[in-house]
Amino acid sequence: NAGVTQTPKFQVLKTGQSMTLQCAQDMNHNSMYWYRQDPGMGLRLIYYSASEGTTDKGEVPNGYNVSRLNKREFSLRLESAAPSQTSVYFCASSDMPGQINQPQHFGDGTRLSIL
Amino acid sequence: DAKTTQPPSMDCAEGRAANLPCNHSTISGNEYVYWYRQIHSQGPQYIIHGLKNNETNEMASLIITEDRKSSTLILPHATLRDTAVYYCIVRAFTNAGGTSYGKLTFGQGTILTVHP
Repeated sequence: NAGVTQTPKFQVLKTGQSMTLQCAQDMNHNSMYWYRQDPGMGLRLIYYSASEGTTDKGEVPNGYNVSRLNKREFSLRLESAAPSQTSVYFCASSDMPGQINQPQHFGDGTRLSIL
Repeated sequence: DAKTTQPPSMDCAEGRAANLPCNHSTISGNEYVYWYRQIHSQGPQYIIHGLKNNETNEMASLIITEDRKSSTLILPHATLRDTAVYYCIVRAFTNAGGTSYGKLTFGQGTILTVHP
């Protein structure tokens, strides 16, 4: 049972390059999320998708775009990477959009360094 | 969402119970208490959550005081693999479309170190 799978696990980019982080979940969850975690800090929400076909901005959306490809997959794109986007990126999913008591399940993260 | 306060670090001997406190004195009636943990280099892992009653699952127990202003996460028999950062999060219902929807506010948490 894979849960939430993120690819790649590690990536090094040069400033200005673009890339897409992939996330897939096999729990038939409706909602999916992208967070970033900087050293010594908590997670901050970048974008979320309450259900298939919808996406909305979170706390720190600038410099990112997302695509909810289908119910299973939610990708995060950096169009022109900047050193400030060096971080660990976590994808999460949960069941029943809007249901307060549904926990989020996280992937193991993508460690992204931008030089 | 209510703010939480946790001790920055705690130690526990292997095999003993680990009791992690959390203060959430400004919690309101519709806010749940969640506990997550993050083992080094891994994504956060959901542990348990509750509203006002004590809860228990295969991982831990959650004790919430009657006034709901504080709670304690109990790992009954801590192992070395329980060494992690433990986050106490208070979160209220938010309609989809709001910028706080789905947002879990992770503070600094408590670094629990389990010793042999």
